[in-house]
Order: sequence, then structure tokens, then C-alpha cells
Amino acid sequence: ETGVTQTPRHLVMGMTNKKSLKCEQHLGHNAMYWYKQSAKKPLELMFVYNFKEQTENNSVPSRFSPECPNSSHLFLHLHTLQPEDSALYLCASSQGGTANYGYTFGSGTRLTVV
Amino acid sequence: KQEVTQIPAALSVPEGENLVLNCSFTDSAIYNLQWFRQDPGKGLTSLLLIQSSQREQTSGRLNASLDKSSGRSTLYIAASQPGDSATYLCAVGKTSYDKVIFGPGTSLSVIP
Repeated sequence: ETGVTQTPRHLVMGMTNKKSLKCEQHLGHNAMYWYKQSAKKPLELMFVYNFKEQTENNSVPSRFSPECPNSSHLFLHLHTLQPEDSALYLCASSQGGTANYGYTFGSGTRLTVV
Repeated sequence: KQEVTQIPAALSVPEGENLVLNCSFTDSAIYNLQWFRQDPGKGLTSLLLIQSSQREQTSGRLNASLDKSSGRSTLYIAASQPGDSATYLCAVGKTSYDKVIFGPGTSLSVIP
């Protein structure tokens, strides 16, 4: 266990469904991130939250909606997804909202859109 | 714009060999560099973090070096084992207030 917990580990959803991914960290970090990892592509940064405030939205489609109620929890709400959204979604946290101390990653949620 | 590349994309070696993985970045003004390991379908595990003021970091059989002036970092794995088989990614932080940029990774296979 890395200190960053993601649930569920696997998710299969239809294009009309609404689901949410959850990320939780107990490391005392104050920044959290969502990354998307598709097959044979580099990690893509989606969202950054620093002290619960969204500091970056990397041109992500509106069918992905993040929520950060506190510094320990991060959600990614999903609705009307497309098959090309199937990927591994990774959550990470860091001490600051920066590269300063390095990142700690969760194990990811494998999402399949059918 | 910072770009990070990793060569080779894939590497296969027999067990016991020492090996080197390479990471290159285009902007030498970095804050730090981090090496990660990723097992298939899993998250990333941090291996080593090198601050810009450091030249290398060591952890067990792993040694990472950093040469900012040439825009390069290497990850040296000694006496490779089948359990080392994974994808290795490097990530560069440009400033202390910036997000990291990931390389595409090197897929390593250690053959028993």
C-alpha cells in the first residue's frame, strides 16, 4: 500500500452511465492529481488540486468532472463517456502543489467504457 | 516546452546482467528528476528522487545519476532479476512550482 488508495480498482461502464472514481491519501500531502494513462501513450495530466483548489485543468472534456472536498480526498465524476476514454486512471499526491518533493501514486482504476 | 524522452523503448536482458536505462530532457533548467517503476496495469512506485543540486542517488541495486548540463539521467540496475521486469518512467520537475513531465517509459524484461 503506497499511502494513496484508489477505488474501485476496475470499472466497466456504459456510455450513458454515471460513475465516480475515488482517491484518498493519508500522507498529509496538500496537492492531488488525476492522470490518464492510455495504451502506448505517456501519462497525461488531467487535473491538479492544491489545498483543495483546482489549479490546473489540462483541457479535459467536460464529461470528466473533478471534486476535491478536502486535501485528503479527490473524486473524478464520469458521465456520458466514450470508448476512447477507456484507460488506467491514476491519482497522485505530493507535499506541495509542485515537483518539490516528488509524487506518490495510487494503484489506479482500470476503466472500460462499453 | 520541456520534452522528456526515454531510450530504449523496450529492453530484454538475461538475469544477472547490469543494465542502464536512459532519460533525456530538452530544458536543462530542472528542479528535480524522479524515477518510477510501473508493473502492468498497476500504479507507479517511486524509486529515486534526485534534486537538481545532486548528481546521483542510490537505493539497493539501483543508482540514478543526473547531468543537468547535458539534459540526461541514467538509471543503473545491478545484477538484474526477473522481478525487475516492469516499465520504468522518469519524470522531470522544471521548477518547484511546476508540475512534472513524464517520459514515455522503458519496458524492461529480465529473462530467467
